[in-house]
Amino acid sequence: AQRVTQPEKLLSVFKGAPVELKCNYSYSGSPELFWYVQYSRQRLQLLLRHISRESIKGFTADLNKGETSFHLKKPFAQEEDSAMYYCALVSRFNKFYFGSGTKLNVKP
Amino acid sequence: GAVVSQHPSRVICKSGTSVKIECRSLDFQATTMFWYRQFPKQSLMLMATSNEGSKATYEQGVEKDKFLINHASLTLSTLTVTSAHPEDSSFYICSPTRTDGYTFGSGTRLTVV
Repeated sequence: AQRVTQPEKLLSVFKGAPVELKCNYSYSGSPELFWYVQYSRQRLQLLLRHISRESIKGFTADLNKGETSFHLKKPFAQEEDSAMYYCALVSRFNKFYFGSGTKLNVKP
Repeated sequence: GAVVSQHPSRVICKSGTSVKIECRSLDFQATTMFWYRQFPKQSLMLMATSNEGSKATYEQGVEKDKFLINHASLTLSTLTVTSAHPEDSSFYICSPTRTDGYTFGSGTRLTVV
């Protein structure tokens, strides 16, 4: 069965510090993975999609099929990065399965 | 870009009443609509999938008679929570599909008192 696990509910870092939000998945097939971000009182926004291999707002994520992971990284966190981050997997039927989310708090 | 309008953003209703949530795709046609809900401190969970003009498919554990989904047109889908109870209080999000990506509504915070 498909499952997305985000082990950290809350991650606090200081401005300028590196940040890594962990995501592990289980899926019987070739997964399509995403990171979504939700700023306070705003809707979900797509941050990254693994197939595009882009870097958005300084964030990157690499799909590691061996470790079934898709961790989100940024070398230097900014205060405006404070938000809720969701890792998600989409099935071949276009259904999303979300992780429980990690709240990132970047302290000044 | 794809514009999705979900209304209302917040609603408080009395226990036993029904609440309708609308989701509109404003600049594209969505043949399929997904409805998700998020309980406090939990992840978004898929509730149901609806295709335009046909009956919705519900995920395991979601009562189809309680959560009525209508997808009568390619730009509008509605979710009606019937005979709402406090345990239905949640954040409901729609997600109309597009051929070139995925979009989400801004969500509806339902509080049943």
